[in-house]
Amino acid sequence: GNSVTQMEGPVTLSEEAFLTINCTYTATGYPSLFWYVQYPGEGLQLLLKATKADDKGSNKGFEATYRKETTSFHLEKGSVQVSDSAVYFCALDSGGSNYKLTFGKGTLLTVNP
Amino acid sequence: EAGVAQSPRYKIIEKRQSVAFWCNPISGHATLYWYQQILGQGPKLLIQFQNNGVVDDSQLPKDRFSAERLKGVDSTLKIQPAKLEDSAVYLCASSPRTSGNEQFFGPGTRLTVL
Repeated sequence: GNSVTQMEGPVTLSEEAFLTINCTYTATGYPSLFWYVQYPGEGLQLLLKATKADDKGSNKGFEATYRKETTSFHLEKGSVQVSDSAVYFCALDSGGSNYKLTFGKGTLLTVNP
Repeated sequence: EAGVAQSPRYKIIEKRQSVAFWCNPISGHATLYWYQQILGQGPKLLIQFQNNGVVDDSQLPKDRFSAERLKGVDSTLKIQPAKLEDSAVYLCASSPRTSGNEQFFGPGTRLTVL
């Protein structure tokens, strides 16, 4: 079956530090890959996605590249801000017409000023 | 554009009681999902509707959980009777079938079973 493994949190960084959150996956076929973010007290929202190998998703300074050879989709940001403090979820959709998402456990990021 | 609405936001009940959650998806979205998010874990799909038909309910504990989406718009999820292990956040999401894979999530209902 499909699965997503994220690095264990919590992650605590100082403002302007470099961020990497690792994500690897197991899936049949050719999945689409996603990063969702959940700010305190809010619902999950899509941060970025990539639908095929070597695609790079980007948004709000965050980037992730779909690496089929390593089955990875690591999230990076060059300079984090306090406002980036949230829980980040890696997810995959193995395709077909059902658009069914499988999520990782989430990584809590805290950015201190 | 209004987002996905859920109510209540919080609910505390005793075990063996029943509870119901409501979701109103984004207008025009054909697909509706209910997820269970236990503390420290990612969301787990419980049931998926396409309009008012069930597409996937393979992970719904059908002995105690039920869901419906009358008229293909809003939806209710019910638990009867509740168990301690049902304590979680219940998330509703919707998606327009033509947009590909993005799902839009509501704020969730936090259920505590005592």
